[in-house]
Amino acid sequence: GENVEQHPSTLSVQEGDSAVIKCTYSDSASNYFPWYKQELGKRPQLIIDIRSNVGEKKDQRIAVTLNKTAKHFSLHITETQPEDSAVYFCAASLGNNNDMRFGAGTRLTVKP
Amino acid sequence: DGGITQSPKYLFRKEGQNVTLSCEQNLNHDAMYWYRQDPGQGLRLIYYSQIVNDFQKGDIAEGYSVSREKKESFPLTVTSAQKNPTAFYLCASTSGTGGVYGYTFGSGTRLTVV
Repeated sequence: GENVEQHPSTLSVQEGDSAVIKCTYSDSASNYFPWYKQELGKRPQLIIDIRSNVGEKKDQRIAVTLNKTAKHFSLHITETQPEDSAVYFCAASLGNNNDMRFGAGTRLTVKP
Repeated sequence: DGGITQSPKYLFRKEGQNVTLSCEQNLNHDAMYWYRQDPGQGLRLIYYSQIVNDFQKGDIAEGYSVSREKKESFPLTVTSAQKNPTAFYLCASTSGTGGVYGYTFGSGTRLTVV
């Protein structure tokens, strides 16, 4: 089955700096890659996703890039703010509703 | 809040006791999921259901059971056979209309063995 690895496990940046979180996946047939943000004590929420037919997607200060050849995808957050502090999870799916697999999460801390 | 409700928020289980976690959604989603979240391990799939009266084991189904008698409801029972049940449990749902879309998560239930 699909295996997703996520790095780093913790990341601390200064407010205004950029943050990058990287994930690799094992199954080359995976074609859907969402990212979730989980604030302390709250539910994970989808913040951005990308499908295998595109290489990059942006939404304001966040972007996701996908390298299908290398089987990795990354989340980029620019101009970080303290409210970006949370745990971020990547995931990969083959496109069926039963095979989403998550990374172990990255705890991002943005220091004011 | 979010269309998917989990209850209770906190649950305490005694040794040898079965407990049931509730998950209800009003999003008209076909597929529903239960995940277990442990520190440093991300989300692991326990059970999933794509239609009423059908469900499948995920990666860590041992010691758990589910039912899907209604589209809106997908309760999870943590049985006494689950030896390490202390964890944060998340229910999720997604539209099953083809392709894959992001999940909507519930707010979770934190289960503690006492």
